[in-house]
Amino acid sequence: GEDVEQSLFLSVREGDSSVINCTYTDSSSTYLYWYKQEPGAGLQLLTYIFSNMDMKQDQRLTVLLNKKDKHLSLRIADTQTGDSAIYFCAERPGGFKTIFGAGTRLFVKA
Amino acid sequence: GAVVSQHPSWVICKSGTSVKIECRSLDFQATTMFWYRQFPKQSLMLMATSNEGSKATYEQGVEKDKFLINHASLTLSTLTVTSAHPEDSSFYICSALGQEQETQYFGPGTRLLVL
Repeated sequence: GEDVEQSLFLSVREGDSSVINCTYTDSSSTYLYWYKQEPGAGLQLLTYIFSNMDMKQDQRLTVLLNKKDKHLSLRIADTQTGDSAIYFCAERPGGFKTIFGAGTRLFVKA
Repeated sequence: GAVVSQHPSWVICKSGTSVKIECRSLDFQATTMFWYRQFPKQSLMLMATSNEGSKATYEQGVEKDKFLINHASLTLSTLTVTSAHPEDSSFYICSALGQEQETQYFGPGTRLLVL
């Protein structure tokens, strides 16, 4: 079946790196996404990676994909208090339908 | 680019009334839009896929007669919650598939409270 799992909570100190992990089940997923949701708002696309890539870097964000283990991670360098939010991992197994994880709540301590 | 708006941002209504939520892609055309529902501290639950000019495809367990979806143009999809009840209170989020068809762009959400 289709399922995306991620840890529910992560707490880091300001300036440290944050690593949010995610596992997915459908090996045919062609796109994998990271979205950010701030309180009371919709989802903001942070980055996405094609399944034929191992890594993608975009400023402070680094996405690593281990296709063999179906493991996706998002690393945020130099985490700031403004990064506090819920981060959703998502896979797109086929067509346009996207499956979301439950979200990881990132708390950044000053 | 790729901005999606929703209106209203929040609405309070009486039980038994109908509420319409609009989702617009502001700077691109979207043949496919999605409607999600999100409960507090939970993930998004896909309700239906809306295709311009055709009937929406509803997910299992979603009542199509209760949640009416219309996608009459390439930039507008509407969700009407008919005969709303308190259990319909939730955060409703729409998204539009980008023209490159690789990513979904989300609206800011509509918070519905049914009294």
